[in-house]
Amino acid sequence: DAKTTQPNSMESNEEEPVHLPCNHSTISGTDYIHWYRQLPSQGPEYVIHGLTSNVNNRMASLAIAEDRKSSTLILHRATLRDAAVYYCLGGGGADGLTFGKGTHLIIQP
Amino acid sequence: GAVVSQHPSWVICKSGTSVKIECRSLDFQATTMFWYRQFPKQSLMLMATSNEGSKATYEQGVEKDKFLINHASLTLSTLTVTSAHPEDSSFYICSARKGVDQPQHFGDGTRLSIL
Repeated sequence: DAKTTQPNSMESNEEEPVHLPCNHSTISGTDYIHWYRQLPSQGPEYVIHGLTSNVNNRMASLAIAEDRKSSTLILHRATLRDAAVYYCLGGGGADGLTFGKGTHLIIQP
Repeated sequence: GAVVSQHPSWVICKSGTSVKIECRSLDFQATTMFWYRQFPKQSLMLMATSNEGSKATYEQGVEKDKFLINHASLTLSTLTVTSAHPEDSSFYICSARKGVDQPQHFGDGTRLSIL
C-alpha cells in the first residue's frame, strides 16, 4: 500500500465546506485512492474512492491531482455528524488497505 | 447496499477461553474479507486477509495459531481468538469487498474484553 500523509487534525465550522488534504507521492499507477471515516467505537465508513478522475457521490467529492501525488476530500457543507477521523489510503489489488493515523476533523457549531 | 454485519458487538470473558467473532456480508458476495484490530487511540492494524475456500494470509507478527480465520462461504468469515488473554483485549473489525479495486466495507466491530 502507498504511504499517505495527512494533517493530524483540522477544524471547520458547521455548514461550511471542508477540504481535507492528503499526500500520496509514492502511489503506484494502479493504486486507487480511498477515503474512509470513523466515529468512536464504530467501524470505518466508506466515503469515496477514485483512480485518476475527480469523483462525486452523495457524501463528498474527491479531487485528484493530475500527477496523482495528492488528493483532496471535499465535504460541501459540513454538519456536526461529519466530525470523525478521516483516513486517506492508497491501495488496490489483493492486499487489504493499510490505515495511517488519519485526520481528526472537528466541526464547530 | 454493501452492508457488513459483525457479531457479537461486544464480549467479556475469562482468560483462557476461546472467542469466535462472525463477519457476514449481507447483500453482496465477498471474494475477500479482512480482519483488523484497533487499540484505544490508535489506527486500525490489518491482521489477515481471507479468501473464500483458501487459507488466510496473516500479516507479519500476527500468530496464525492464536487467531484462527475461517472463510467458509462468500458471505461469512469467522475469527476465533484461541486461549484469549488480557493482552488480546481490543476492538476487532472485519471488512469485505466484492472484488479487486472495489472498496472495502466494514462491520461495526467487536469489543473484546478478557478478564
